Amino acid sequence: EVQLVESGGVVVQPGGSLRLSCAASGFTFDGYTMHWVRQAPGKGLEWVSLISWNGGSIYYADSVKGRCDISRDNSKNSLYLHMISLRTEDTALYYCARGPEGQLAGPFDHWGQGTLVTVSS
Amino acid sequence: QSALTQPASVSGSPGQSITISCTGTSNDVGGYNFVSWYQQHPGKAPKLMIFDVANRPSGVSNRFSGSKSGYTASLTISGLQAEDEGHYYCSSYSSISTSYVVFGGGTKLTVL
Repeated sequence: EVQLVESGGVVVQPGGSLRLSCAASGFTFDGYTMHWVRQAPGKGLEWVSLISWNGGSIYYADSVKGRCDISRDNSKNSLYLHMISLRTEDTALYYCARGPEGQLAGPFDHWGQGTLVTVSS
Repeated sequence: QSALTQPASVSGSPGQSITISCTGTSNDVGGYNFVSWYQQHPGKAPKLMIFDVANRPSGVSNRFSGSKSGYTASLTISGLQAEDEGHYYCSSYSSISTSYVVFGGGTKLTVL
């Protein structure tokens, strides 16, 4: 069974930083593109970033570009998102989602339950 | 403002059919077949319902179907059931270099 478990969500002050983690199991992690998607309270889904199966391709949404760094450790079946210069508008539930196998474009077929990031003074 | 445009809400009675539209541009919906639809119930993670415009993942009811015409993709739910109530989001690959994936703003489906 595919499982994605996020962690690292915290309450942080504006300008602060954090690192989110996603532990994957139940599939061959190093074959799949992985994504971070966020959802502000009461709002819709917003794509944040993707990393290809080997880390060779990385993309970011404009809203986080320059403030985010996505990475993965295939030996640990783990995905990460390091965020700096946090803003109140970064407050959201952050989901880890599995993309397609061996390609960049395609659906998110499995999602974690999310980890909550709150940016507040 | 979301990159893809969806109606804020739709409603239907049990047994009826409804359609949710998702309008984009030639850079996303109109140019590629990487359109997906997600269902989200309150407090739950999104669930993939349709991928690549019209394909259903294993386990998703055949009451859910997808299509595309020009710059608009559509999700149709036939034989509405109470458990279909929730939010629905479309997404697409985007060829604009500044964004790779775009979502619609979401549609709240109410089963009357």
